[in-house]
Amino acid sequence: GQSLEQPSEVTAVEGAIVQINCTYQTSGFYGLSWYQQHDGGAPTFLSYNALDGLEETGRFSSFLSRSDSYGYLLLQELQMKDSASYFCAVDSNYQLIWGAGTKLIIKP
Amino acid sequence: KAGVTQTPRYLIKTRGQQVTLSCSPISGHRSVSWYQQTPGQGLQFLFEYFSETQRNKGNFPGRFSGRQFSNSRSEMNVSTLELGDSALYLCASSLDANYGYTFGSGTRLTVV
Repeated sequence: GQSLEQPSEVTAVEGAIVQINCTYQTSGFYGLSWYQQHDGGAPTFLSYNALDGLEETGRFSSFLSRSDSYGYLLLQELQMKDSASYFCAVDSNYQLIWGAGTKLIIKP
Repeated sequence: KAGVTQTPRYLIKTRGQQVTLSCSPISGHRSVSWYQQTPGQGLQFLFEYFSETQRNKGNFPGRFSGRQFSNSRSEMNVSTLELGDSALYLCASSLDANYGYTFGSGTRLTVV
């Protein structure tokens, strides 16, 4: 079967750094994406890793290791507006295969 | 530029009815995908279209169908609605596969 595993919930303090891990097992793989979704909203694209290594976009960074079938999203200088659910998704054969999402709770 | 537009935003239907949802992608995007989001099953892939061709289809019954028009606008149809079809239906567009997808606000379908 195809599956992505990520923690269901992560709690962090405003201003801190948090890492959300994702491991995957899929039959095809073109890249690993990360999306943010606020309650009642639509998923918003954050990053895409097709090759091993770190991609940085402002306060957000994403890492991929294809040999380990593993990636993570790193959020720095956390702000209250970052409170949301974060999804990893594998790009495979013209579809996104999604993890169940990680609810990020930020405390002041 | 305009984002992905989905209509309607909310819909209430009765079991056994059929429904058609519409999606207008970002101008220039030829790939349109549809996803179902429910609290229990998360985000599930329905189908993907590129230049009017369905390139992949998820594991949904035949009651779920879709199509894409020459202007890249897409529709999905669900026939013989069941209570379990209640969900948020999301449309996403992209230049092509392996790029980031931009999602519409979704259509929240409630089947009673």
